[in-house]
Amino acid sequence: DAMVIQNPRYQVTQFGKPVTLSCSQTLNHNVMYWYQQKSSQAPKLLFHYYDKDFNNEADTPDNFQSRRPNTSFCFLDIRSPGLGDAAMYLCATSTRTSGHKQYFGPGTRLTVT
Amino acid sequence: AQSVTQPDIHITVSEGASLELRCNYSYGATPYLFWYVQSPGQGLQLLLKYFSGDTLVQGIKGFEAEFKRSQSSFNLRKPSVHWSDAAEYFCAVGGNSGYSTLTFGKGTMLLVSP
Repeated sequence: DAMVIQNPRYQVTQFGKPVTLSCSQTLNHNVMYWYQQKSSQAPKLLFHYYDKDFNNEADTPDNFQSRRPNTSFCFLDIRSPGLGDAAMYLCATSTRTSGHKQYFGPGTRLTVT
Repeated sequence: AQSVTQPDIHITVSEGASLELRCNYSYGATPYLFWYVQSPGQGLQLLLKYFSGDTLVQGIKGFEAEFKRSQSSFNLRKPSVHWSDAAEYFCAVGGNSGYSTLTFGKGTMLLVSP
């Protein structure tokens, strides 16, 4: 089945140690999104790619960066994780023909020790 | 700026009873509206969406929602709740821009009692 895959599902990193979260998709969608979801809160959009065009939300900290080397893969890099960055990170995809529907991956739960 | 309000943080419903989850939105034009469900530790699954046309939309798992422009609401309903419906429900609004960035409400946690 076509899907959105996130690896790893659970990631533990140390305070200040760079970490990379991975998202891949087999849907061939041209838009990919990264959301941060803290406990009992709404998903918050960090940034998204429309094809190769990167779109950063105004309030996304500089500590968060992203790479999209090809259509299928997108990475979230946290350069110096702080305790406040512990959260679920959700990747999603969409395309113009998906009717604005976003397809979500299962998420990566990040713990910062 | 677009926004979504879900006034109920938690709702408890008896199994077999009806359910209504409230959602109010703010958007300058005709909104694209969505309801997603999230089980613990999982990603979000789309239940239903409204773009235009019939204001009563049917979704998966027996859910439906009604768009009321005059009330800026998009409430989610189900006539008979099952224990497996216990989860967190998010309402979201997106714009008509060819693709959408979504703004989510804070969610409503549904608890189902026996």
